[in-house]
Amino acid sequence: GAVVSQHPSRVICKSGTSVKIECRSLDFQATTMFWYRQFPKQSLMLMATSNEGSKATYEQGVEKDKFLINHASLTLSTLTVTSAHPEDSSFYICSARVVHLNYGYTFGSGTRLTVV
Amino acid sequence: AQSVTQPDIHITVSEGASLELRCNYSYGATPYLFWYVQSPGQGLQLLLKYFSGDTLVQGIKGFEAEFKRSQSSFNLRKPSVHWSDAAEYFCAVFLGNNDMRFGAGTRLTVKP
Repeated sequence: GAVVSQHPSRVICKSGTSVKIECRSLDFQATTMFWYRQFPKQSLMLMATSNEGSKATYEQGVEKDKFLINHASLTLSTLTVTSAHPEDSSFYICSARVVHLNYGYTFGSGTRLTVV
Repeated sequence: AQSVTQPDIHITVSEGASLELRCNYSYGATPYLFWYVQSPGQGLQLLLKYFSGDTLVQGIKGFEAEFKRSQSSFNLRKPSVHWSDAAEYFCAVFLGNNDMRFGAGTRLTVKP
């Protein structure tokens, strides 16, 4: 149990376009989801925390107008990279805290975004 | 500052050899500690966690970790490494209030 499904796994887009990444909790309700960005050979950097039905909380230095987060239901959170640029190319991972894992987080499989 | 340190960026071991990955934390209270594994291009999978009680915790895939309060450490061990264990390993500390801190990761290479 406690599976988070993340799509797409890979996406290539042109500069200036927008890309939406979805994360769904398949067998539990995720009131809170977290979005991370991971640069090659580096750790995860928390971008924002999304709460169902309310505005996301962004970490310092993360542009909320560029990285739009929507958490409209208890099973779906989306991250939209708007007006993408090559420097936005990265690996994006979502996660949710699962109560029955006692504060453990379950992670999506990640999305490799390449902006050309 | 509260942080998680993984001193080893990259470790290479031979298949069948034992493994120990180091993790040190800096936190005022007893932390909730985790080890995750990440295969290339994948998300993170929970290996094991420590909250309280027995300081030696068993995880999946034959991994274990020992919490040592005096050393502020939570090192991950495996007695015999398999080629499929090659991956990136992250130590993490949950500080409460949705605040999870990750170490920089240790990349494990397994030699045949």
